[in-house]
Amino acid sequence: EAEVAQSPRYKITEKSQAVAFWCDPISGHATLYWYRQILGQGPELLVQFQDESVVDDSQLPKDRFSAERLKGVDSTLKIQPAELGDSAMYLCASRLTGDNSPLHFGNGTRLTVT
Amino acid sequence: ILNVEQSPQSLHVQEGDSTNFTCSFPSSNFYALHWYRWETAKSPEALFVMTLNGDEKKKGRISATLNTKEGYSYLYIKGSQPEDSATYLCASSRGSARQLTFGSGTQLTVLP
Repeated sequence: EAEVAQSPRYKITEKSQAVAFWCDPISGHATLYWYRQILGQGPELLVQFQDESVVDDSQLPKDRFSAERLKGVDSTLKIQPAELGDSAMYLCASRLTGDNSPLHFGNGTRLTVT
Repeated sequence: ILNVEQSPQSLHVQEGDSTNFTCSFPSSNFYALHWYRWETAKSPEALFVMTLNGDEKKKGRISATLNTKEGYSYLYIKGSQPEDSATYLCASSRGSARQLTFGSGTQLTVLP
C-alpha cells in the first residue's frame, strides 16, 4: 500500500538554528497538510496545500515558519530560527481531493530543540 | 462546545473487555467526523469517516456511531486485544472551510 514518506524521522537542533522537514505524499493526492502535535494535545494544522497553492496557512507562525510545494508533489517545511517551544511531532498528511476522504499520514518527524 | 473534546484522556482495560470512548464536537455547520488510530512509532491510520446523523460504521471489532444534532460520536471496541493499544483521535470538519480540528485523543492500553 502506498505511503506518505517523511524525513528525517528524528531531529535534534539547538535553538536559533534552522531546520527543515520533507514530505512526499501518496502519488495522485492533490491535497497536502502539515500538522504539529505537541505532547498531550491533538494535531494542529499549520498549512494546507491544494496542488502547489497554499489553501490555509492561518495558523502558521510566518515570522519563523515557511512551507512550499513548488511542483505540487513533495513539500518542505522550514523553521528558522528554531525555538524551544517548537519541540513537537510534525506530521504530514495527504488525501485525494474530496472532503469525505480520510487523511493518510506519514510517520512524522520528532523535533527536539535544545 | 467550540472545540473537539475526547474522553477519557486515557484508559486501561483487561484483554477481552469491551470499551468505548467519546468524541464531542460543535454541532453547528457540521460536515464530517473522522476517527484515527495512532500506534506508537507508527503513523495515524484512518478508521472511519462519518457524515450522516445516526450513521454507524464497523471495522472488525471496532464500531462507531454519530449524532450530529447533539454533537457526539462513540467509538466501541469489542473484546479488546493488546494490539488495540493505541491513541484514538477524532476530528471534525465544519463550515465552508471544512478544516479538520482534532481532539487530544484517548490513549488506550489493553493489558494481557
